[in-house]
Amino acid sequence: AQRVTQPEKLLSVFKGAPVELKCNYSYSGSPELFWYVQYSRQRLQLLLRHISRESIKGFTADLNKGETSFHLKKPFAQEEDSAMYYCALRVRGAQKLVFGQGTRLTINP
Amino acid sequence: DGGITQSPKYLFRKEGQNVTLSCEQNLNHDAMYWYRQDPGQGLRLIYYSQIVNDFQKGDIAEGYSVSREKKESFPLTVTSAQKNPTAFYLCASSIEAGQPQHFGDGTRLSIL
Repeated sequence: AQRVTQPEKLLSVFKGAPVELKCNYSYSGSPELFWYVQYSRQRLQLLLRHISRESIKGFTADLNKGETSFHLKKPFAQEEDSAMYYCALRVRGAQKLVFGQGTRLTINP
Repeated sequence: DGGITQSPKYLFRKEGQNVTLSCEQNLNHDAMYWYRQDPGQGLRLIYYSQIVNDFQKGDIAEGYSVSREKKESFPLTVTSAQKNPTAFYLCASSIEAGQPQHFGDGTRLSIL
């Protein structure tokens, strides 16, 4: 079965420092990967998807099939980046997403 | 934004009672989903529906039931067979199955 692992439940960095939220997946085929974010008192929302290859709010994520990873990165963290982040995987052709356990990111001033 | 509305926000249930959580969307999305969110476990899929009058079990469907009689609505019933129903429940929809999902605000269910 497919699985998504986010090894860090909590991550704390200082404002202006680089951020990397780790996501590893287990699936032998070609998956579709997503990052979702939930800011305080807001709904869970899509941040980015790997097929778009875009940068959203300064965040990027590259799919590394060799390492089966999809880490989320931002070179300079901002306080408003504090949120809960979920990595999710969709098997091509499947209808559902498999979510990781989530990482709570806190940016310290 | 009012795309997906879940109600109520908080719900209390007595032991042995069934309870139904509401989820309505006005996004004209075909697919709808129910997730359960527990601390440290992320989101786990309960049921999903690709189209009206059709739904499939997710990873943790036992003790739950759903219906999809209208495109806009996908209610979830938590039955007395669900051994540990206290959780936060999230509803989502997507334009079609497999596409990025839009989430509601959630319903927190507690057992009295």
